[in-house]
Amino acid sequence: GDSVTQMEGPVTLSEEAFLTINCTYTATGYPSLFWYVQYPGEGLQLLLKATKADDKGSNKGFEATYRKETTSFHLEKGSVQVSDSAVYFCALSTQAGTALIFGKGTTLSVSS
Amino acid sequence: EAGVAQSPRYKIIEKRQSVAFWCNPISGHATLYWYQQILGQGPKLLIQFQNNGVVDDSQLPKDRFSAERLKGVDSTLKIQPAKLEDSAVYLCASSLAQTENGYTFGSGTRLTVV
Repeated sequence: GDSVTQMEGPVTLSEEAFLTINCTYTATGYPSLFWYVQYPGEGLQLLLKATKADDKGSNKGFEATYRKETTSFHLEKGSVQVSDSAVYFCALSTQAGTALIFGKGTTLSVSS
Repeated sequence: EAGVAQSPRYKIIEKRQSVAFWCNPISGHATLYWYQQILGQGPKLLIQFQNNGVVDDSQLPKDRFSAERLKGVDSTLKIQPAKLEDSAVYLCASSLAQTENGYTFGSGTRLTVV
């Protein structure tokens, strides 16, 4: 069945370091891909998305490119801040209006 | 716009007791989802409504879980009787039908079964 695999955490970085969180997926057809972020004590928030191959989603300095050939959607940020500390979830949707399928999440901890 | 409202924020119950969670989606959102997020895991879909009809409840443990969405707006999720393994955060989300813009989630209800 359809699934999402994320790199194991936690990821611990110093402020201004480069961030990569790997995400690969298995799905039939052409899913839409998402990154959600969950700050401590808060609900899930959409960070960015991409709906077709080679699309790049971006928001708040984060980027991810939909790579169909490698079935990947890795999250990157050039310079992380302490405020980026959160749990990041990669997710897919096989078609509009259908439920999201999530990865297990990756915890990011950034220290000053 | 107002977000997805959920209540209560926290609930502690003993096993075999019953519990209910409430969700009020964003106004005009026809699609409503309930997810279960166990600690250390990603959210897993329990049930999806389109207006007041069920679209997908294939992963809902129907022997103990039930959900309804009367009048296509608010929704309640019930567990009866609860088990220890039901301890989780229960998330409600809503979306406009036929959209690729992602989903808006509520803050969730953290359930602890002791």
